Amino acid sequence: DQQVKQNSPSLSVQEGRISILNCDYTNSMFDYFLWYKKYPAEGPTFLISISSIKDKNEDGRFTVFLNKSAKHLSLHIVPSQPGDSAVYFCAVLSNFGNEKLTFGTGTRLTIIP
Amino acid sequence: DTGVSQDPRHKITKRGQNVTFRCDPISEHNRLYWYRQTLGQGPEFLTYFQNEAQLEKSRLLSDRFSAERPKGSFSTLEIQRTEQGDSAMYLCASSRGTPSSPEQYFGPGTRLTVT
Repeated sequence: DQQVKQNSPSLSVQEGRISILNCDYTNSMFDYFLWYKKYPAEGPTFLISISSIKDKNEDGRFTVFLNKSAKHLSLHIVPSQPGDSAVYFCAVLSNFGNEKLTFGTGTRLTIIP
Repeated sequence: DTGVSQDPRHKITKRGQNVTFRCDPISEHNRLYWYRQTLGQGPEFLTYFQNEAQLEKSRLLSDRFSAERPKGSFSTLEIQRTEQGDSAMYLCASSRGTPSSPEQYFGPGTRLTVT
């Protein structure tokens, strides 16, 4: 039973345009949501997060949106740059005595120069 | 802040051998986590420590796996009698674990290949 789903295994975007990565979750008890970026042969790098009491969080070129009623999370990257090419994972955390991150299966983003 | 470090980065071993991996967390972080990642999947939780106490273990962590964090600083993950199914990337992460800062920061991982 996959609690966190990233339904697009891959996405290609032209350099300078907006990249939108999507994530759906099933458990309304999740209360903290994170995005990680992963290059080959490296560990995931934390990008941006949002708590369930907010619906938007921005950090530079990265914005995360949370739609709690739809149980949907998205990451917007604008403008997209070649260095953004990587695998992006969404992850969820519940603070109700459960400290583990539960990850989606990832979306491979390719930025086309 | 030097980040989370892991050693070794790569390990090739024969089936049936024991292996041990080390993780050094970010120094001011009191929580340390182990995850495993296989091809095409996101990282999967194995276990975590708050200081030296191991507080949760996943059912993925069979009795061949053991993790320690003896002084609440670095941690080791040992796999006994390795099997080919143990081949994966083993990731360590650390965090402050506070409500205002629950983000987990990952090390580069140890890639294990069991032949």
